[in-house]
Amino acid sequence: GAVVSQHPSRVICKSGTSVKIECRSLDFQATTMFWYRQFPKQSLMLMATSNEGSKATYEQGVEKDKFLINHASLTLSTLTVTSAHPEDSSFYICSARDSTRGGGYTFGSGTRLTVV
Amino acid sequence: EDQVTQSPEALRLQEGESSSLNCSYTVSGLRGLFWYRQDPGKGPEFLFTLYSAGEEKEKERLKATLTKKESFLHITAPKPEDSATYLCAVQANSGYSTLTFGKGTMLLVSP
Repeated sequence: GAVVSQHPSRVICKSGTSVKIECRSLDFQATTMFWYRQFPKQSLMLMATSNEGSKATYEQGVEKDKFLINHASLTLSTLTVTSAHPEDSSFYICSARDSTRGGGYTFGSGTRLTVV
Repeated sequence: EDQVTQSPEALRLQEGESSSLNCSYTVSGLRGLFWYRQDPGKGPEFLFTLYSAGEEKEKERLKATLTKKESFLHITAPKPEDSATYLCAVQANSGYSTLTFGKGTMLLVSP
């Protein structure tokens, strides 16, 4: 089935620095990818929709300048957390759907970000 | 606004003890209802998509059903390896629509 690879799986960074998370569709092309954030025992909250070749669409309350999304190719989307603060510590997950195969949305394995 | 409520929040079963998880939803026209399994520290793993009331899907010990207001995930004779958080999500029929997730049911199956 469709495979989405997310890297890194864990990252620790210092406050004020930036962190980049990559999401790749390995065996299909994804014109649209989705970025979620998940707090412990909470549901996945959609942050933004990443569109290949155009600007991302952000959900209400998500800071565009803080969470930079780039979708430069049909198989790669990146999320950069800029000037990270401890409150940005969370589990970030990307998702995509292989429209040629039907079925559900495939998720990456997630990235645990800890800002110290 | 689309809403998804899952119950119970947590469920502990003995191996072989069948049970059901509930997902109640409100959506302005349902395009699809999705069930996922999530292990700790991992991304969700796709299980099923249901599209219309009355539809049922099965996979090994899991069976998902759908009505106009809710979906059930039935677990028959569970094994310890079925322990995970089960997530339910809906997608509305509007032109631009993404998934709305519930908080999940954390299932623990004891040997």
